[in-house]
Amino acid sequence: QVKIVESGGDVVQTGPPLTLSCTASGLVFSSFGFHWVRQTPAKGLEWLAFLSFDGKSAYVAESMKGRFSISRDNSKSTVYLQMSGLRPEDTGVYHCAKRSVVRGKDFDDWGQGTRVTVSS
Amino acid sequence: EVAMTQSPGTLSVSPGETATLSCRASQSIGRSLAWYQQRPGQAPRLLIYGASTRATDIPARFSGSGSGTEFTLTITSLQSEDFAVYYCQQSYDWPPYTFGQGTRLDI
Repeated sequence: QVKIVESGGDVVQTGPPLTLSCTASGLVFSSFGFHWVRQTPAKGLEWLAFLSFDGKSAYVAESMKGRFSISRDNSKSTVYLQMSGLRPEDTGVYHCAKRSVVRGKDFDDWGQGTRVTVSS
Repeated sequence: EVAMTQSPGTLSVSPGETATLSCRASQSIGRSLAWYQQRPGQAPRLLIYGASTRATDIPARFSGSGSGTEFTLTITSLQSEDFAVYYCQQSYDWPPYTFGQGTRLDI
């Protein structure tokens, strides 16, 4: 059974960088791409970034470019979301989700999320 | 960017009855549409992909239909565990992937 666990969420003030981690087990980690999706009361579910299984193809939401980046370490079965220039509107629950190899199953398994609170 | 609009925002249905949830895309997305269920305090769970294919272990009372811009999620014989928030999501034109704002299914 696939298990995805996010960590690194915190209460932070605007400005300092923050890195979230997503660790997955119960699968061949290096065979799958992963997404970051955040959930806020204002915008609901918002896709943030995707990284391919080999780390060679990365996509970041246009509105996050320059502030957010995604990376992975297959030896640690972990995907990261590096965030900088955090603003109060970045407050929310950040989920990691696995992309299936089956076409159309883009958010196949999800983690419970890690909460980020940004105060001014 | 493809905008996804769900209706209604909240749907009140009695156990044992049928719920019909709608999702509309701002442009044609073929059948590149998925549905997710989110219970309180839990992560979203994939229900349907490819507009009508049930994901692993999803009961047959959940069915999806539609293509182009109009999609429907139908849940028959509603059970207590089905009362949750449901989201649609398109994967036809990405990035970005986009989600609907959700429909809350209440008892």
